[in-house]
Amino acid sequence: RKEVEQDPGPFNVPEGATVAFNCTYSNSASQSFFWYRQDCRKEPKLLMSVYSSGNEDGRFTAQLNRASQYISLLIRDSKLSDSATYLCVVNKDNQGGKLIFGQGTELSVKP
Amino acid sequence: GAVVSQHPSWVICKSGTSVKIECRSLDFQATTMFWYRQFPKQSLMLMATSNEGSKATYEQGVEKDKFLINHASLTLSTLTVTSAHPEDSSFYICSAKGDRSTDTQYFGPGTRLTVL
Repeated sequence: RKEVEQDPGPFNVPEGATVAFNCTYSNSASQSFFWYRQDCRKEPKLLMSVYSSGNEDGRFTAQLNRASQYISLLIRDSKLSDSATYLCVVNKDNQGGKLIFGQGTELSVKP
Repeated sequence: GAVVSQHPSWVICKSGTSVKIECRSLDFQATTMFWYRQFPKQSLMLMATSNEGSKATYEQGVEKDKFLINHASLTLSTLTVTSAHPEDSSFYICSAKGDRSTDTQYFGPGTRLTVL
C-alpha cells in the first residue's frame, strides 16, 4: 500500500464546477498534512495546510479525518487558472519534517 | 513567503560526467534542506535530508556515493550527481525548512537534468 494515495486523474471539469479530491494516508502517526499545487514542469507550491477542524481559503476547503486517515480538498467555482496537478502531502515522521507526496491528481478546467 | 533558488535551472551533460546543483535559501536560514527527484508523470520522491554541518541522511534505495550532498552553510546545500547516466535524467527539486517548529517547506524552482 502506498504511503499516500490519491484519486487517479485526470479530472476534466467546466469552468464554475465544484471538484473534490480525495487522499488517504497509511501512517496513523502523521501529524501534518498539506495540499500542494504543481504546474507543468514547475516546482510544487503550497496551497494550504490541513487541520483537524477543517479550513477554508476562499474557494478552497480542506478537510482532515484522522480516524479514517483521509484528507480532502474541495474547489468551488473552478477557474481556468486552477488547472494543475494537486498533490496530497503528509509528513513522514514528527521529527525532521520529511514529507511524503501522493502521486497527484491532474485537474483540467475547460471554458 | 520565503524564497529558495536553484542553479542551474537546466543542464545537459554527457554520460559519465558529474553535475553539481545548488540550492540556496535567499531570505532565511535553512536548518534543513531536502532533495527530491521527480520523473515524468510521477510524484516527488524524497532522496535525502541535508542538515547544516552534518552528514546527509539518505532514503532507502538512494546511493549516497552517487548523490553527494553537502550542506556547508545555513543558506546553501549542493547535490552532486556523480558519473551521471541517462537513467539519472530527471527533475531535481530542493526544499528548505527554516523553523524547527513547523513542517512548512519552501521549494526551489527545480533543475532539469538530461544525461545524453
